[in-house]
Amino acid sequence: SYVLTQPPSVSVAPGKTARITCGGNNIGSKSVHWYQQKPGQAPVLVIYYDSDRPSGIPERFSGSNSGNTATLTISRVEAGDEADYYCQVWDSSSDLHVVFGGGTKLTVL
Amino acid sequence: QLQLQESGPGLVKPSETLSLTCTVSGGSISSSSYYWGWIRQPPGKGLEWIGSIYYSGSTYYNPSLKSRVTISVDTSKNQFSLKLSSVTAADTAVYYCARREAAAGSWFDPWGQGTLVTVSS
Repeated sequence: SYVLTQPPSVSVAPGKTARITCGGNNIGSKSVHWYQQKPGQAPVLVIYYDSDRPSGIPERFSGSNSGNTATLTISRVEAGDEADYYCQVWDSSSDLHVVFGGGTKLTVL
Repeated sequence: QLQLQESGPGLVKPSETLSLTCTVSGGSISSSSYYWGWIRQPPGKGLEWIGSIYYSGSTYYNPSLKSRVTISVDTSKNQFSLKLSSVTAADTAVYYCARREAAAGSWFDPWGQGTLVTVSS
């Protein structure tokens, strides 16, 4: 089945840019979605279809996807962005239709 | 504003069946535009998709859980349900229900708040 690989942790200073990667075989050919999960809360969609933002999500959140890597970029990071971030794809080539990455803990220094 | 709410026992004994219901409010579960899914998260771990259902009753499951999972829908109550049989401690997790766009390759949004189910005697 398809595997998505995320770094366990990323650290960034306030005001700087955070980049969280999601690796997968030819992931550029798939649609990637990103979720933010704060402690004790349900995941919230922050990016869909690689780079689209749902209403209410700040423009500081952006996404890209090419080759074997998708990237979630958070500009001008704030303390409130500290959370776990998960990527997700739909794998039509197997019976495991929905695949999540292992998650990345974003720490704001 | 669409909302989803999970409900069910918070404690299940090993070898028994876990049963949860997700109640949808603010929208119709019978919409042809969406699937409805269950996702779980063991304490301190990542997300695992369990399965999804369409309002017509069409289902698809995670192959690793397929032999133990049944997802059903009750359109008259605007609810869908999860049954997971022969549970063990490894099934202890927060269980979320969520809506998924019916379009190919789509995402889950919104999610319910989640409910913790502990498997223990």
